[in-house]
Amino acid sequence: DVVLTQTPVSLSVTLGDQASISCRSSQSLEYSDGYTYLEWYLQKPGQSPQLLIYEVSNRFSGVPDRFIGSGSGTDFTLKISRVEPEDLGVYYCFQATHDPLTFGSGTKLEIK
Amino acid sequence: QVQLKETGPDLVQLTQTLSITCTVSGFSLTTYNVHWVRQPPGKGLEWMGAMWNGGGTDYNSAFKSRLSISRDTSKSQVFLKMNSLQTDDTAKYFCARGAGAFDYWGQGVMVTVSS
Repeated sequence: DVVLTQTPVSLSVTLGDQASISCRSSQSLEYSDGYTYLEWYLQKPGQSPQLLIYEVSNRFSGVPDRFIGSGSGTDFTLKISRVEPEDLGVYYCFQATHDPLTFGSGTKLEIK
Repeated sequence: QVQLKETGPDLVQLTQTLSITCTVSGFSLTTYNVHWVRQPPGKGLEWMGAMWNGGGTDYNSAFKSRLSISRDTSKSQVFLKMNSLQTDDTAKYFCARGAGAFDYWGQGVMVTVSS
């Protein structure tokens, strides 16, 4: 199974600062069709996960442009510029390239 | 609008079978896939399996032959059944629409496996 390693495990950020989360995969996530099925989800406290980013860098509808996904192959990053209070929660990367589909272990973002 | 809602028992006895229904609205099961994801208390997310829009299924091998996913398109429902429950199956179970990524999620149902 593909293992997604997220770092850091937790992150404490001052409002208005930038946060960066890394997701490293045990295998390349580029599929044979040329697409890379790496997604980012945010689970706010007490809520279901919500989609932020799909195919590495595409923001889902309604997601602010403060959220930027990047990377390729096995190394991926989610950057959140100008962190706001509603950004707190646990961020998960997820891969849908290889079966079984797998999530990273999560990064908890706290506001200082 | 797109909605998914999971319904199922709060409590299941050890070694028994879990049955959860995901009722969807705002889209067709013959157009979109539906996935199942679970989350033990205080832990991360685990993909369990999928019902493809064409009627096929895919399962996480971690669940071996314990897991079964089916659907009734006329009722816009997808069913999860898992047998031989153990205490570490205690979790919140979510269904999510797969449109490439999981763009809509249900609120989840918390299931406790009791001995």
